[in-house]
Amino acid sequence: DTGVSQNPRHKITKRGQNVTFRCDPISEHNRLYWYRQTLGQGPEFLTYFQNEAQLEKSRLLSDRFSAERPKGSFSTLEIQRTEQGDSAMYLCASSLGSRRRGEETQYFGPGTRLLVL
Amino acid sequence: GENVEQHPSTLSVQEGDSAVIKCTYSDSASNYFPWYKQELGKGPQLIIDIRSNVGEKKDQRIAVTLNKTAKHFSLHITETQPEDSAVYFCAAPIISNDYKLSFGAGTTVTVRA
Repeated sequence: DTGVSQNPRHKITKRGQNVTFRCDPISEHNRLYWYRQTLGQGPEFLTYFQNEAQLEKSRLLSDRFSAERPKGSFSTLEIQRTEQGDSAMYLCASSLGSRRRGEETQYFGPGTRLLVL
Repeated sequence: GENVEQHPSTLSVQEGDSAVIKCTYSDSASNYFPWYKQELGKGPQLIIDIRSNVGEKKDQRIAVTLNKTAKHFSLHITETQPEDSAVYFCAAPIISNDYKLSFGAGTTVTVRA
């Protein structure tokens, strides 16, 4: 399967714990995006990378959230001191990087569903 | 989502009938309009997209129309089948916000057998 993959698919944690999610984009894609999706809503942009550089962070991304893409391939999203309000689906997407970012197709992974108790 | 409105929020159709979902956007410079289908427990999957240099695009039972003057675009599904039941999202780039892709709130389509 050459699509976007995400791990784990599900995560249940207690409030105050740290969690880390991983995303593996489509291999030739140099752009990678993280979104958050809550029930009944569309994906909301969190952050995006061009190769290893993090180029934008949404105001939704508090200082408890950090994302990395160390070698321009896979990416990790870490949430520190989780809160119940962090419960959501965290989606990763990637795109080729041949056009301006909103003008090219973004391919989504299956998501990681986080439940904070 | 910011700048993209989607209607209706839910849609129930009889199998074999057509389904139409409409989205409006606010940034007149937006020039790419994808539609995604999301099944329960899965990530959004692109089903069709259209660029601003055309007014309509078809792919088998799915079509998208674009009216740039009115700033709206629509998804049309003909001869609906039970497997078309899903949540559908439209999206458009916000040019004034560095081309960030903004999504509609989604339409839950139920196809009744």
